[in-house]
Amino acid sequence: KQEVTQIPAALSVPEGENLVLNCSFTDSAIYNLQWFRQDPGKGLTSLLLIQSSQREQTSGRLNASLDKSSGRSTLYIAASQPGDSATYLCAVKKGGSEKLVFGKGTKLTVNP
Amino acid sequence: SQTIHQWPATLVQPVGSPLSLECTVEGTSNPNLYWYRQAAGRGLQLLFYSVGIGQISSEVPQNLSASRPQDRQFILSSKKLLLSDSGFYLCAWKQQNTEAFFGQGTRLTVV
Repeated sequence: KQEVTQIPAALSVPEGENLVLNCSFTDSAIYNLQWFRQDPGKGLTSLLLIQSSQREQTSGRLNASLDKSSGRSTLYIAASQPGDSATYLCAVKKGGSEKLVFGKGTKLTVNP
Repeated sequence: SQTIHQWPATLVQPVGSPLSLECTVEGTSNPNLYWYRQAAGRGLQLLFYSVGIGQISSEVPQNLSASRPQDRQFILSSKKLLLSDSGFYLCAWKQQNTEAFFGQGTRLTVV
């Protein structure tokens, strides 16, 4: 059974700092991995999707990497801003299945 | 462009009452559709998913059910709500092997 873990559960940083969020999964036979952002009381917003054949994806100040063999992904946020404050979730999809398995998320607070 | 609509945004229902949450997707055809529940401290729990009209897979045995009467419509129902059904319900869609997109969620409080 696939399990996804995100550490730390919460992170507080000053504005302008570069930071890394971690996601690990127990079964390396994934098809892709997706990072989401969730603001309080809202739905999930897709940030980046990495296919299993890819090593990284970039969108603006965000860079996601994937090391499938070691069961790890990181989300790098450059020059953090207060508007980046949210909960960040990762989810993996296994080949042959249409289900996404989510981690519990990392709650990020960027202080002005 | 594709959009997903989920309603209502908030709902307060008494124990034992019925439930119907609706989700519709526009701008795509034959999407995979999903219902998740998010409880505080427990992450997202997959409840149901559907890969086509009338095809429903249940992940968690409970007093909830799902139906897909049309290609882009996904409904979550209950005949009698329990206190434990309270939570944040999220609908999502995706095409096979691509990104998943979520609705804005329904906050359900059972009293």
